[in-house]
Amino acid sequence: EIVMTQSPATLSVSPGERATLSCRASQSISSNLAWYQQKPGQAPRLLIYGASTRATGIPARFSGSGSGTEFTLTISSLQSEDFAVYYCQQYNNWPLWTFGQGTKVEIK
Amino acid sequence: QVQLVQSGAEVKKPGASVKVSCRASGYTFTNYYIHWVRQAPGQGLEWMGIIYPSGGTTSYAQKFQGRVTMTRDTSTSTVFMDLSSLRSEDTAVYYCVRAAYGDYSDYWGQGTLVTVSS
Repeated sequence: EIVMTQSPATLSVSPGERATLSCRASQSISSNLAWYQQKPGQAPRLLIYGASTRATGIPARFSGSGSGTEFTLTISSLQSEDFAVYYCQQYNNWPLWTFGQGTKVEIK
Repeated sequence: QVQLVQSGAEVKKPGASVKVSCRASGYTFTNYYIHWVRQAPGQGLEWMGIIYPSGGTTSYAQKFQGRVTMTRDTSTSTVFMDLSSLRSEDTAVYYCVRAAYGDYSDYWGQGTLVTVSS
């Protein structure tokens, strides 16, 4: 099983600042990585797929990068609606998806 | 528009079974896979298994082998997830999730809370 490890567990950021979230795979997953945003009481929402392609309707302030085992999600200027939990997911070992444990982005 | 609508919350006793449904609309039901993912309170996301509605083929996470069964009804575009021998650790929100072959998830159901308590 491919293990996905996210860091940090919690990120405290002020509105307008940049947030950088990391995700590491236990083995190479090429670019088969997605990022999701989840707010309390809601289902996860797809932000990024293919490691760097924004999903439909996702603002340009969200960007993804990386390949192989190291990936990054960057939120260039945090808005109030961006405070949430973010998960990375590998789909290289399909159909066996695995998710990171999540990074909570909170208001500083 | 694509929609996955799940059945309502359930409360079950330890040892019982639960069956959660997920009705799809807005796309060709047999062209996409449905995964089931669960989330325990305050915890992360856990993949349970997958069903291909076209032929009914399934694949389950090893952790749930023998306890989970996924089926579908193509006449109503509905998939079902049956989990047996429930224990308190199975208390979670269960999501059905659509995906193309070999791909990420693009649409999620609203989630179904299953509470296991004596």
